[in-house]
Parts: sequence; C-alpha cells; structure tokens
Amino acid sequence: GAGVSQTPSNKVTEKGKYVELRCDPISGHTALYWYRQSLGQGPEFLIYFQGTGAADDSGLPNDRFFAVRPEGSVSTLKIQRTERGDSAVYLCASSLIGTPSDTQYFGPGTRLTVL
Amino acid sequence: QKEVEQNSGPLSVPEGAIASLNCTYSDRGSQSFFWYRQYSGKSPELIMFIYSNGDKEDGRFTAQLNKASQYVSLLIRDSQPSDSATYLCAVFPWRNSGGSNYKLTFGKGTLLTVNP
Repeated sequence: GAGVSQTPSNKVTEKGKYVELRCDPISGHTALYWYRQSLGQGPEFLIYFQGTGAADDSGLPNDRFFAVRPEGSVSTLKIQRTERGDSAVYLCASSLIGTPSDTQYFGPGTRLTVL
Repeated sequence: QKEVEQNSGPLSVPEGAIASLNCTYSDRGSQSFFWYRQYSGKSPELIMFIYSNGDKEDGRFTAQLNKASQYVSLLIRDSQPSDSATYLCAVFPWRNSGGSNYKLTFGKGTLLTVNP
C-alpha cells in the first residue's frame, strides 16, 4: 500500500512569507505526527493528531506555527511570517492508533528554505 | 541532561565486522524504544523496536535494552556498505512522565560508515 506522502518535496520562500506543508498519511492510520529535523539533529516533535484533534501541540515553537487535520486524514502545517531559523526538513509520520507500541512511519519530508 | 543521547560518530567499521551503536535516555519510566536508519537526504525508516529488558534479534540486527541502566543498543552483524547511514535512537515516554505522552524523542543519531 501507499506510504506517507508529503508535498511539496522542496519549498523555497522569502522571510516573512506564509507557507503550507501537506501530509497525506497511510490510509487507516488515526495518529499523525509532525516533526522538524535540522541538519545534524534528530527529528524534533512538533504536534500530534489523534483523528481530527490535536492531542499534543507542545512541540510547536511559537504561535507562528499551526496545524490542522479537518477530516482526520490529510494534515496541513502552516507557518506564518517565516524566519530563516524555520529552515529545516519537516517530516510527517503516521501510525495506526498512536500507542507507545505503535510504529510510526515517516514520509519523505518537505525541505523548507527561508531566504 | 539531554533526554536521549547518542555518540554522533562517525563510527567506522570494516565490511563483515560487528557495528555497535549505543543510546542512553534520561526518563526512567520510558516504555518503548526504537532504532531508525536514515540515509543521507532520506526520511527515517524503522529498523527495530524493543520494549522488554534483554535482547531482540531480527536477522543481522540485535537490539539490547537495559532499563536499570537506561541504556539501549543496536548491534549490526556482518556489516555491509549498504548499512552506511545515520542510526537514530528514539524513545517513547511513560504516560505519567509529566511531559508529552505521545511524542517520540530522538537522539542526534550516530553516523555509521562500513568500509568495503
């Protein structure tokens, strides 16, 4: 079956602009996660959805970051007033039900570059 | 103290040797542990997971967990050049740890190079 897909694969924007990153999880997976990975670092948790609701958004760095999952499937990560420090690879992962024993499967990521 | 610590490497081993990758974690109540492999420019892919103390073997890979020492390791036997990648250790917290109950916490990863 299809894995997690993310679009776009690359996004270059200018400082101050608004961007949207899309994630399409594995069909049937109720749990969806967003991570951010900077060069030389491991993925850093941003937000977790269980169904349509954000169960844990403790990793969002500030109020410029927001994510939605209105129908419990596709999710969009939205970044307002982008800053150069937002440049990173944004990874989406999904898992079947979101328990600690559940494997998270990662998408290919979106590389965001803020000039 | 960082929550999940790994030696950044690079760890270099000859082809056919055993590669040993180590990880320590700070949350004593952590309940599940994952090893991901990440090739350069690619996303992480799951290699193994382990929940109970002891060893777990899958092909050339063995994960070892010692909760008393808060230590988890990955052994790769008969290392191949195709094993050259960054290996990420990830930990899932205990439900009542006070922090996020749902996030995987990753180490920085260890870069492994297997030389032909």
